[in-house]
Amino acid sequence: EAAVTQSPRSKVAVTGGKVTLSCHQTNNHDYMYWYRQDTGHGLRLIHYSYVADSTEKGDIPDGYKASRPSQENFSLILELASLSQTAVYFCASSAGGEDTQYFGPGTRLLVL
Amino acid sequence: GQQVQQSPASLVLQEGENAELQCNFSTSLNSMQWFYQRPGGSLVSLFYNPSGTKQSGRLTSTTVIKERRSSLHISSSQTTDSGTYLCAYNTNTGKLTFGDGTVLTVKP
Repeated sequence: EAAVTQSPRSKVAVTGGKVTLSCHQTNNHDYMYWYRQDTGHGLRLIHYSYVADSTEKGDIPDGYKASRPSQENFSLILELASLSQTAVYFCASSAGGEDTQYFGPGTRLLVL
Repeated sequence: GQQVQQSPASLVLQEGENAELQCNFSTSLNSMQWFYQRPGGSLVSLFYNPSGTKQSGRLTSTTVIKERRSSLHISSSQTTDSGTYLCAYNTNTGKLTFGDGTVLTVKP
């Protein structure tokens, strides 16, 4: 079974502060993704990466940065957190771009 | 506009009843996936279904790529089936685009 872990599992941040969400996978997958989910809605892609040291913009990248220092690790960075970034954030990995994606447990972020 | 339409938005069943969930896409797609999201929030991949019919236990997924639609059939529902069912399509760019989901409640 694929294994994707996220930390922290929940976080309260202040407006204007910096937030870093971390994701680690042990699947030996090349692709990793960051999504956000707002209450009552599906997931939306923020950033993704298909190789270490390279990231790509997803559908809603504004206000977010991503970092892929190694194949196993993928971080999402909010340099200046805003109220509108309150959401649940999911990380995922896949072997290839069209392969099944395996998701982490999610991180609940509350920006006050 | 919404690229992935899921219906119904919500569904309430009595245990033992069957359910049919629909997913329609407004764009060409290479493949699609069905996910189950537990009430606690984590996602589980149910089917990766480029086309045709796949079955796993009481769940059956049927995808017709040319018609841009997919369905998920749940037979003999159980209370543990309660949660949100999400479909998503995958284009040749490798990105998944999700629908807003169907919230299923199965009552004992």
